[in-house]
Amino acid sequence: ETGVTQTPRHLVMGMTNKKSLKCEQHLGHNAMYWYKQSAKKPLELMFVYNFKEQTENNSVPSRFSPECPNSSHLFLHLHTLQPEDSALYLCASSPKIGAGEQFFGPGTRLTVL
Amino acid sequence: RKEVEQDPGPFNVPEGATVAFNCTYSNSASQSFFWYRQDCRKEPKLLMSVYSSGNEDGRFTAQLNRASQYISLLIRDSKLSDSATYLCVVNGGSGDKLTFGTGTRLAVRP
Repeated sequence: ETGVTQTPRHLVMGMTNKKSLKCEQHLGHNAMYWYKQSAKKPLELMFVYNFKEQTENNSVPSRFSPECPNSSHLFLHLHTLQPEDSALYLCASSPKIGAGEQFFGPGTRLTVL
Repeated sequence: RKEVEQDPGPFNVPEGATVAFNCTYSNSASQSFFWYRQDCRKEPKLLMSVYSSGNEDGRFTAQLNRASQYISLLIRDSKLSDSATYLCVVNGGSGDKLTFGTGTRLAVRP
């Protein structure tokens, strides 16, 4: 077990829905990340938070909105998504930003109809 | 050119075989290097770091060639449980984010 949990594990939503993904880490880490993993593509970094401050937005469309209320929790708010946004969304944490070992949650498998 | 490039495979090998994966990276300022493993429908997990002098962890050996911007992973005496996707990962020149390759899939057969 990695100490990083994500809910829900699976999500099916329509293009007009609003939903949120939740990530929680129990490792006392200071950095948290959102990644997108699509078939046959490398993991794409979406957002980075360091001590709950956003340090990177990797040109992510505004229909994805992150929130980091504290160093242990990270949310990804979704609205008016497109079918091409269907993917596995992975949350990760690390002791400090830039650390080589990141601990990943199990991911949320998102399907947009 | 992709930032981190790997042969996607799949590599199909019998148990006991030795298999090698290669990876190239484009950013010459990259500072640190890793191999992660991702099992089917699971999250990636760190397998090992890659050091300039090369390093070994049991049946796994990692090598780095900075001049050629090339990283390798050698697995000896393959086990069925080694079946997974192996991700080459580079910490970029700015040092604050990891860049992942698409991964190389390994299937070890009995």
